[in-house]
Amino acid sequence: QLQLQESGPGLVKPSETLSLTCTVSGGSLSNTDYYWGWIRQPPGKGLEWIGVVYSSGNTYYSPSLQSRVTISVDTSKNQFSLRLTSVTAADTAIYYCARLRYYFDRGGPNSDFDYWGQGTLVTVSS
Amino acid sequence: DIQMTQSPSSVSASVGDRVTITCRASQGIYSWLAWYQQKPGQAPNLLIYAASSLQSGVPSRFSGSGSGTDFTLTISSLQPEDFATYYCLQTNTFPLTFGGGTRVEI
Repeated sequence: QLQLQESGPGLVKPSETLSLTCTVSGGSLSNTDYYWGWIRQPPGKGLEWIGVVYSSGNTYYSPSLQSRVTISVDTSKNQFSLRLTSVTAADTAIYYCARLRYYFDRGGPNSDFDYWGQGTLVTVSS
Repeated sequence: DIQMTQSPSSVSASVGDRVTITCRASQGIYSWLAWYQQKPGQAPNLLIYAASSLQSGVPSRFSGSGSGTDFTLTISSLQPEDFATYYCLQTNTFPLTFGGGTRVEI
């Protein structure tokens, strides 16, 4: 059974860099059928997609965060990471890591996030 | 970017009711749509993939339909454990985008 687990500081000061790691167990990040992604959720609000990374290091990011975000992968450790620079209180959220699977359904390609970590709350405050 | 407009934002319902939630995409996304259920303090859980396929382990009272720009999630007979928030997600094009969510409450 695939499991994802986020880890990292729960408190980050304004203007500093938020860094989180997602450790994957029960499966390999090198599998070519998947991207690996980050999603966040401010307290009491909806879900926001941050970005995804492929095992090769190829990435896609949210345009609203692109100037501040980096997602990287370490296949040797079966981990992928999120870095978000110059954080403000608006970046306070629960951060989830998740697997983006690609598959064929009824003859056509498709994708979705099928496995999620439990989430970790990151608060931006001095 | 593709905008996902989800409605209603909240719905009050009773056990046994039929509940319908809709998502409209700002442009055609074929069937690249998934539905998630999120309960307080938990990560989202995949209910429906490829617009209308039921994820393994999900009760058959949940169903999805639609393609192109208009999609629907239906709960045929609401159960106590179904009171939660539901989100749609389009994966046709990066950036991926979620709907704003629908809170199903008593």
